[in-house]
Amino acid sequence: GQNIDQPTEMTATEGAIVQINCTYQTSGFNGLFWYQQHAGEAPTFLSYNVLDGLEEKGRFSSFLSRSKGYSYLLLKELQMKDSASYLCAVVDSNYQLIWGAGTKLIIKP
Amino acid sequence: SAVISQKPSRDICQRGTSLTIQCQVDSQVTMMFWYRQQPGQSLTLIATANQGSEATYESGFVIDKFPISRPNLTFSTLTVSNMSPEDSSIYLCSVGASGVSYNEQFFGPGTRLTVL
Repeated sequence: GQNIDQPTEMTATEGAIVQINCTYQTSGFNGLFWYQQHAGEAPTFLSYNVLDGLEEKGRFSSFLSRSKGYSYLLLKELQMKDSASYLCAVVDSNYQLIWGAGTKLIIKP
Repeated sequence: SAVISQKPSRDICQRGTSLTIQCQVDSQVTMMFWYRQQPGQSLTLIATANQGSEATYESGFVIDKFPISRPNLTFSTLTVSNMSPEDSSIYLCSVGASGVSYNEQFFGPGTRLTVL
């Protein structure tokens, strides 16, 4: 079967750095997305990785290792507004999106 | 990018009734997607709505329970039929960049449904 694993919840301090991991076992791989979803709102796109390595976009970076079936989202200089759920989603060999359950990130002052 | 609106934003319904959710996109798109997100859970794709053809349903979802209309390239509706409390969820519509599901997706604000 297809499976995506993310921690259920993480807590971090304002101004710090946090890394949210995502591991996947899917039938094929055609890319990995990270989305941010604030409580009661729709998910919004953060990043897309299809090749190994680190993609940096401002305070957010996303890393992919296809051989390990592993990705992480790195958030730097955390702000209170970063409190949200972070969803990992993988595109499988049939170009279907497989969604993880999301990681709820709590930022404390 | 695409701007998507949904109606209603939330509703409380009685068991056994039906609710139709509307999704409007500000540009023409070939495929629109309907998701369900139960509290604390991930997104689950219900179906893909293609203009001019029958919707394609994912395993576990059937047309009798979740009929979908797609009358044009900017609009779709999802009906939740004969509702039960297990249908309480957030329902989201989305479109994919370049019209495909495996590109960046743009989501509507969601419809929060509570069934009593």
